[in-house]
Amino acid sequence: SAVISQKPSRDICQRGTSLTIQCQVDSQVTMMFWYRQQPGQSLTLIATANQGSEATYESGFVIDKFPISRPNLTFSTLTVSNMSPEDSSIYLCSVDPLLGGAPEAFFGQGTRLTVV
Amino acid sequence: GEDVEQSLFLSVREGDSSVINCTYTDSSSTYLYWYKQEPGAGLQLLTYIFSNMDMKQDQRLTVLLNKKDKHLSLRIADTQTGDSAIYFCAERGYSGAGSYQLTFGKGTKLSVIP
Repeated sequence: SAVISQKPSRDICQRGTSLTIQCQVDSQVTMMFWYRQQPGQSLTLIATANQGSEATYESGFVIDKFPISRPNLTFSTLTVSNMSPEDSSIYLCSVDPLLGGAPEAFFGQGTRLTVV
Repeated sequence: GEDVEQSLFLSVREGDSSVINCTYTDSSSTYLYWYKQEPGAGLQLLTYIFSNMDMKQDQRLTVLLNKKDKHLSLRIADTQTGDSAIYFCAERGYSGAGSYQLTFGKGTKLSVIP
């Protein structure tokens, strides 16, 4: 199994500012994923982060708004840039299932962001 | 894109069984998952099933998979008040270029009446 730690767990930010969320995994993984969960909604994939290459963004998400870093096989960051109240959500990171052959898809505990 | 559908609400009495249903469209799904999310918390993986299985049991949880109908269910036996949460169904499918991703349903809010 993989243990995934996210920081911060929650934050309240002013509109127009940026917040960087960190995700640390206790083992090396090829792919990491960033999801957004808007209030009362399901999870939507923002992007897939591969080490050594640029992140792949899903439709409706762009690099300028959600830049992602993946400096090594255990760490990734997601930045929410130029925030507006519509960015208030829970942001979660996850790792690729079939890690080491196990199909469990684990998630970090999430970062609850409120933009005021 | 691929789609995962769930009913939004379920209410049961404590001690009864709960059955949460899910349908999906991706015929190439390899694994299907059930997650639990309590208020203010992240996602907890409850169980998963490989697509070539039709049933998996884990203590109070029973997962049934009808691959022909693309229908997945989660049965919780002897439902307790601590089971009150939102339950998400997810399927792992191929997203292209050697990449797999999870697609989630909207979640079923389970309310347990004491």
